[in-house]
Order: sequence, then C-alpha cells, then structure tokens
Amino acid sequence: GAGVSQSPSNKVTEKGKDVELRCDPISGHTALYWYRQSLGQGLEFLIYFQGNSAPDKSGLPSDRFSAERTGGSVSTLTIQRTQQEDSAVYLCASSQLAGGPFHEQYFGPGTRLTVT
Amino acid sequence: AQTVTQSQPEMSVQEAETVTLSCTYDTSESDYYLFWYKQPPSRQMILVIRQEAYKQQNATENRFSVNFQKAAKSFSLKISDSQLGDAAMYFCGTGANSKLTFGKGITLSVRP
Repeated sequence: GAGVSQSPSNKVTEKGKDVELRCDPISGHTALYWYRQSLGQGLEFLIYFQGNSAPDKSGLPSDRFSAERTGGSVSTLTIQRTQQEDSAVYLCASSQLAGGPFHEQYFGPGTRLTVT
Repeated sequence: AQTVTQSQPEMSVQEAETVTLSCTYDTSESDYYLFWYKQPPSRQMILVIRQEAYKQQNATENRFSVNFQKAAKSFSLKISDSQLGDAAMYFCGTGANSKLTFGKGITLSVRP
C-alpha cells in the first residue's frame, strides 16, 4: 500500500510569510507525528496526534507553530511569520497505534523548508 | 526526560567488513525501547532494528545486530558484511509513551 506522503517536497519562502506543510499518513494509522530535522542535527519531536486530538504538543518551539488533523487522516503543520531559524526538513510519521509498547513509526520523505 | 548521544559524527567501512556504531542514552522512563533508524540521501527514514529495554537478549535482524548494555546505557549497532547500500545516516534513539528521542546521527560511508 501507499506510504506516508508529504507535500510540498521543497518550499522556499520569504521571512515573515506563513507556510503550510501537509502530511498524508498510511491509511488506517491512528497516530501521526511531526518532527523537525535541522542541518547536522537529529530529529526533534514537535507534536503527535492520536486520532484528531494532540495529547502532546510539548515540542512545538513557539506559538508561531500549530498543527491540526482532520478526519483522523491528513495533518497540516502551519508556521506563521516564518524566521530563518525555521529552515529545516520537516518529517511526518504515522503508526498504527500510540503509547504502550513499541509501534513502528513509518516516515514520509519530508518537506525541506528554506526561509530567505 | 530522554537524551541520546552519538559521539562519532562519521565512520567508514570497507565493503564486506564489519562496523560498529556506538550510542549511549539516558532516560527517566522505566518502560522504554531503543532503536536504530537509517536515513539514505532520499531522506526516507527506515527502521533498522529495535529492542524493548526489558528484554535481555540482543536483537538481530539479518546482518544487523545490537549490543545492549542496560547498566551502561549503551546500545551499539553492528553491521556485518557491509554493502554499498548501507551507506546512509544512522540515528540511534529511545522511545516511551509515543515520544521518540533521536541522537544527532552518524554518517556511514562504505568503500567498494
């Protein structure tokens, strides 16, 4: 079946503009995760969804970042008033369940965001 | 809180040889798991191997195996019979309560 898809694959925006990044999880996966990967760094957890609710938003770096998930499927990560430090690859992952024992997270190819 | 340290930024191995990638971690969780993900140039993260912390036997997946030393909080990855397709960035990490924490990664190159 289809894997996790993300769009756009690359986005260049001017400082101060808003951007929306989209994630389509694997069909049937109830959990969805967003990560940020800055150059030379590991993945930084941002937020995860169980269904449409977000039990853990602790990783969102500022109030300029928000995310939503509708219909238990597609998720959108929105960054308002982008700054140059927001430049990174944003990765989305999904898993069948969340919590408890290990549930493999399947990752999308990411969106590379460049803020000029 | 969870932290993961990968102290080697890059390593190189000759094709068909064996290489070990090191990783140490710290966690306040009592029920957690450990994993290694691979990220080739395509950016697609792929799970290589994982192990629940309560299991004493080291996990093995074909040419990939781990050496889990719980007391030392060490979780190294051994790749046997290295292949050109193994060249990638490798991330070690821990997970608990749906939250994964990753190290900074190590770039592995494979010499033909």
